[in-house]
Amino acid sequence: SQTIHQWPATLVQPVGSPLSLECTVEGTSNPNLYWYRQAAGRGLQLLFYSVGIGQISSEVPQNLSASRPQDRQFILSSKKLLLSDSGFYLCAWSAGGGDYGYTFGSGTRLTVV
Amino acid sequence: GDSVTQMEGPVTLSEEAFLTINCTYTATGYPSLFWYVQYPGEGLQLLLKATKADDKGSNKGFEATYRKETTSFHLEKGSVQVSDSAVYFCALSDHGYALNFGKGTSLLVTP
Repeated sequence: SQTIHQWPATLVQPVGSPLSLECTVEGTSNPNLYWYRQAAGRGLQLLFYSVGIGQISSEVPQNLSASRPQDRQFILSSKKLLLSDSGFYLCAWSAGGGDYGYTFGSGTRLTVV
Repeated sequence: GDSVTQMEGPVTLSEEAFLTINCTYTATGYPSLFWYVQYPGEGLQLLLKATKADDKGSNKGFEATYRKETTSFHLEKGSVQVSDSAVYFCALSDHGYALNFGKGTSLLVTP
């Protein structure tokens, strides 16, 4: 069966520090991968998605970036965090497009202080 | 563009009450529709889905019917439990790469 792992679960980082969140999927190949952010009291915001290795589409311009160095690995990064980057970050995978639905990871709670 | 609108929460119900969470959508074609549930501190889990008009998705006592004429996909449950307390998200796929999510509706069920 397919599983998705996301880590760390919780992270507290100072403003201006770098960020690296990792997501890996097991049990499937060539998944579509997604990064969402959920800010307090707000809905889900799609940040990036990827349909293959090295292919990244950005939905929202910001100081975050994403990379997909391997088929089942998706990384969210920042060189310098802002206070506004605080939130709950969710990774998800899909067997195809949105019609297949997503399977989400357990999320990373990021607090920038 | 395509979008989903959910009723604002929080919704507070007593145990065994009937639940309805409204969801309407705007889409140019015939989207697939989903309900996801998020328990505190966790990621989202797929609750049910429907891919065409008049389809009924169901799971764990929850149901939602794809109504094209009213562009709606309301979530219902006949008798809620305390363990149903969570945030519920309606979502739409316009057959592209990504899902469009509503803002979520928080449900609190009290004993």
